[in-house]
Amino acid sequence: DIQLTQSPSSLSASVGDRVTVTCRASQTITKYLSWYQLKPGKAPKLLIYTVSNLQSGVPSRFSGSGSGTDFTLTISSLQPEDSATYYCQQSFSAPRTFGQGTKLEIK
Amino acid sequence: QVQLKQSGPGLVKPSQTLSLTCAISGDSISSNTAAWTWIRQSPSRGLEWLGRTYYRTTWYDDYAASLRSRITINPDTSKNQFSLQLNSVTPEDTAVYYCARELTATTKFDYWGLGTLVTVSS
Repeated sequence: DIQLTQSPSSLSASVGDRVTVTCRASQTITKYLSWYQLKPGKAPKLLIYTVSNLQSGVPSRFSGSGSGTDFTLTISSLQPEDSATYYCQQSFSAPRTFGQGTKLEIK
Repeated sequence: QVQLKQSGPGLVKPSQTLSLTCAISGDSISSNTAAWTWIRQSPSRGLEWLGRTYYRTTWYDDYAASLRSRITINPDTSKNQFSLQLNSVTPEDTAVYYCARELTATTKFDYWGLGTLVTVSS
């Protein structure tokens, strides 16, 4: 199985900050990397798919980049509603796997 | 607009079978551009992909290796839904269980159910 390692596991940032979360795969996954936002009591929300494609309805402050084994989720200007846990996920091969999550707190 | 509506018990006794159903509206279980998936989340394991069923001239399924001996995901074309059965549960199977649609072309999980908290306890 392909392992995904996210860093950091948690972070605290202020409204307006630029925030970056990284995801490293144990082998190349080419472009098959997505990002999800999880909030308690809500369905997970797809943010980014195939590395850098913004899902419809997702604010443009979210962006993704990377290739091969190293990927990044960036929030350009943090908003209070961005408090959540963020997961990367690979769909290069089965079984699909997720990173361990990054919990983002707003200061 | 696709909607996935989950149903099933929130409490299961150890050694018994966990059964959940995911009813689909706005798409077809027999779509050849989607895979219908179960995923769970727990504090200890994070998000864990459990398995999927999909139709490509015939029905296919595949499962997480760690669960293969205990899990079944079945489509029900008459009701446009799919189900999860997990046998011989233990407290380690306590989690929020989600159903989701994965689109084949983009491999994204674009629609999710709201989740069902299943607690394994006597």
